Amino acid sequence: QVQLVESGGGVVQPGRSLRLSCAVSGFSFSIYAMHWVRQAPGKGPEWVAVISYDGNNKHYADSVKGRFTISRDNSKNTLYLQMNSLRAEDTAIYYCARGPGIYDSSYLDYWGQGTLVTVSS
Amino acid sequence: DIQMTQSPSSLSASVGDRVTITCRASQGIRNDLGWYQQKPGKAPKRLIHAASSLQSGVPSRFSGSGSGTEFTLTISSLQPEDFATYYCLQHNSYPFTFGPGTKVDIK
Repeated sequence: QVQLVESGGGVVQPGRSLRLSCAVSGFSFSIYAMHWVRQAPGKGPEWVAVISYDGNNKHYADSVKGRFTISRDNSKNTLYLQMNSLRAEDTAIYYCARGPGIYDSSYLDYWGQGTLVTVSS
Repeated sequence: DIQMTQSPSSLSASVGDRVTITCRASQGIRNDLGWYQQKPGKAPKRLIHAASSLQSGVPSRFSGSGSGTEFTLTISSLQPEDFATYYCLQHNSYPFTFGPGTKVDIK
């Protein structure tokens, strides 16, 4: 079955960096675009970034542009989010989500369980 | 950026009630919209894709309709497990945007 498992969250000081990972199984990772979505405590979800199936195209929310970098390693079935210059407002649960694929147009159909990032001094 | 609004922001309903939630986009998004259900401590779960297509495994009491700028999610007969927060998501253009959510609780 489709599984997405995020890791790498934790407590980090403002201005520091953190890298999140999303390990996937149960589907052909290399033919799907992948997303990061975050949710601050008590708030609704906020889309963060997307990467195409081959890694050649990326888009970011304005709130993270220039600070966050999405990447992927198709040989390891893993998605990444490098987060630099972290701010208190980046505190959130970070989810990875799938889609669409090369052969289907299904957007954000499967999600991981999330990893919590807390930015605090 | 496309702005998404939802109404109501919250509602109280009883088991068996018919519930309708509306989502509006600030510009036309064709049918590039999904509906998600989220329960406390859990990831969002997709219920509807392409505005009106039921996600596999989701009960048929959930339905979606609309195109362009106005969309609705309907629960035909509310069940105890449906008490949750519901979000719409537009994936017509980047940045993707979620509605602010509708919390459905017990009357």
